[in-house]
Amino acid sequence: DSGVTQTPKHLITATGQRVTLRCSPRSGDLSVYWYQQSLDQGLQFLIQYYNGEERAKGNILERFSAQQFPDLHSELNLSSLELGDSALYFCASSVFGGVTDTQYFGPGTRLTVL
Amino acid sequence: GESVGLHLPTLSVQEGDNSIINCAYSNSASDYFIWYKQESGKGPQFIIDIRSNMDKRQGQRVTVLLNKTVKHLSLQIAATQPGDSAVYFCAETYSNNAGNMLTFGGGTRLMVKP
Repeated sequence: DSGVTQTPKHLITATGQRVTLRCSPRSGDLSVYWYQQSLDQGLQFLIQYYNGEERAKGNILERFSAQQFPDLHSELNLSSLELGDSALYFCASSVFGGVTDTQYFGPGTRLTVL
Repeated sequence: GESVGLHLPTLSVQEGDNSIINCAYSNSASDYFIWYKQESGKGPQFIIDIRSNMDKRQGQRVTVLLNKTVKHLSLQIAATQPGDSAVYFCAETYSNNAGNMLTFGGGTRLMVKP
């Protein structure tokens, strides 16, 4: 158990809908990351937050947004969902968010868009 | 949970043998590398890391080798055990990155035969 928690574990929804994925980092970690894992694209970085501020951004779609709250938990919002958004979404956390900080991954949320 | 990446390259080894998993990276600016292990239905788990000023680093039963000349990384697992069966990913990042955006390789599935 990495100490990173994600809810829900599974999510099934329809095209065009909006969902929110939630992540609680390990105790003491200030930085949160979101990754998408799909069959065709592999594991891809979406976005990183550090202490509430956006720190780095990957190829995150405009339909996706995220935020980190004062209590350091983070939410990833996915809107206007398409079939291709079906994937595993992982949250990771690290102490400070620097390059050599180990990222600890949560168990993931499996999103299925029908 | 189901495995992601059903068409991953697969390495099949006998229990007790040594395993070598290879990874080629593309960004010559990358200076920090990490190996992650992902078991079915779980998030990636940190195994070992190496900085670009090193060419070898050892952990418990694992060794990472880095060849910057050919941009190649390998993970050696000694005395492979059934519990080592998983998908292994290499990841890279670089120090002038504003945050800590990991770029993951495609993964290799390790199957250990008892």
